[in-house]
Amino acid sequence: GAVVSQHPSWVICKSGTSVKIECRSLDFQATTMFWYRQFPKQSLMLMATSNEGSKATYEQGVEKDKFLINHASLTLSTLTVTSAHPEDSSFYICSAPIWTSGKKINTGELFFGEGSRLTVL
Amino acid sequence: EDKVVQSPLSLVVHEGDTVTLNCSYEVTNFRSLLWYKQEKKAPTFLFMLTSSGIEKKSGRLSSILDKKELFSILNITATQTGDSAVYLCAVDTHNTDKLIFGTGTRLQVFP
Repeated sequence: GAVVSQHPSWVICKSGTSVKIECRSLDFQATTMFWYRQFPKQSLMLMATSNEGSKATYEQGVEKDKFLINHASLTLSTLTVTSAHPEDSSFYICSAPIWTSGKKINTGELFFGEGSRLTVL
Repeated sequence: EDKVVQSPLSLVVHEGDTVTLNCSYEVTNFRSLLWYKQEKKAPTFLFMLTSSGIEKKSGRLSSILDKKELFSILNITATQTGDSAVYLCAVDTHNTDKLIFGTGTRLQVFP
């Protein structure tokens, strides 16, 4: 079945550096990907919707210049946390709508990546 | 503003107990409600509900949706320690493809 691959799983970086997280759709083309953020013991909070070939749509309160999203191909979306600070430490997870037989299934069910845990020192 | 609320926020039970998790929602153009289980990493899909009153069942887990009262429940019978996880409820609308997640219920099952 379709799979979403996300890496790195863990990343530790120094404050002020930038970190890139990749999300790839395997065996299917994802024109849309969703990026979520999850703080400890909290739910998933949608940050932005990544659209292949066009600009991402950011949720209210999410800084576009801080969280750069690029969806350059039908199988790859990236999230770059720029000038990371300790408060950016979180679990970031991507997801894509379900596809089967080459068509997107409009059920709301999503394939999730494994997530990336970012720790900024 | 679309909203999904889960209760309780956390629950501690002993193995063998039965638990009921609640999810209520206020959204426009409702399409479906989904339940996910999240252990350490990515959420795993449990159920998708679109119609009222039709119970979905998988082993010891079952779920039902009430579109009139705008809520869903997830039941787990004869709980096991492996059921310990955060259970997430999410709602999908016709407006977009994105899911609106609830606050989650953290379930801990002790032997």
